Amino acid sequence: EIVLTQSPGTLSLSPGERATLSCRASQSVSSNYLAWYQQKPGQAPRLLIYAASIRATGIPDRFSGSGSGTDFTLTISRLEPEDFAVYYCQQYDSSRMYTFGQGTKLEIK
Amino acid sequence: QVQLQESGPGLVKPSGTLSLTCTVSGGSISNDNWWSWVRQSPGKGLEWIGETSHGGATTYNPSLKSRVTISVDKSRNQFSLKLNSVTAADTAFYYCAGHGFYSLEWWGQGTLVTVSS
Repeated sequence: EIVLTQSPGTLSLSPGERATLSCRASQSVSSNYLAWYQQKPGQAPRLLIYAASIRATGIPDRFSGSGSGTDFTLTISRLEPEDFAVYYCQQYDSSRMYTFGQGTKLEIK
Repeated sequence: QVQLQESGPGLVKPSGTLSLTCTVSGGSISNDNWWSWVRQSPGKGLEWIGETSHGGATTYNPSLKSRVTISVDKSRNQFSLKLNSVTAADTAFYYCAGHGFYSLEWWGQGTLVTVSS
């Protein structure tokens, strides 16, 4: 089973700043199989990025994804107040398993 | 736009069976899609439970496989989750989700299931 480790656990930033969130896999992951989600309190997760770098429908272009192999990054170019939330990465593997990272909490500094 | 809605009891007794249904609207469950269940213990991360295709093929998380059954009812545009022999550790928010490109594109709002006597 591929394990995803996200860092940092908590990221404290101010609106307008740039956020860089990391997701590291225990084995190489196809870029097609890496996704990112945003979850706000009391809400279901929302798909932000799939195939490592493709924004889902309706996602603002301040969100971008990059990476390959075992290291992937979600970048939010300029934080808006509504971006403070928990972010999860997710991978799909050849045994048809979906696994999630433990999450990064992005909080207002 | 595809919408999903979970339904089922919010309280299940220990050793009992948790049963939830997800109703899909705004699209047909028979489209070439897969459909999943995901859970989240309060204050914790996300755990994928398993998936079904519109044709009834399934894949389960190995950690839950012995206790889980996911099924599809195309006539009702629904798919369902059964988890047996539940304990307090199964208390969680349960989400149904529809697949996109190797990702979970559409999500229900989630339903809290508490295991308690």
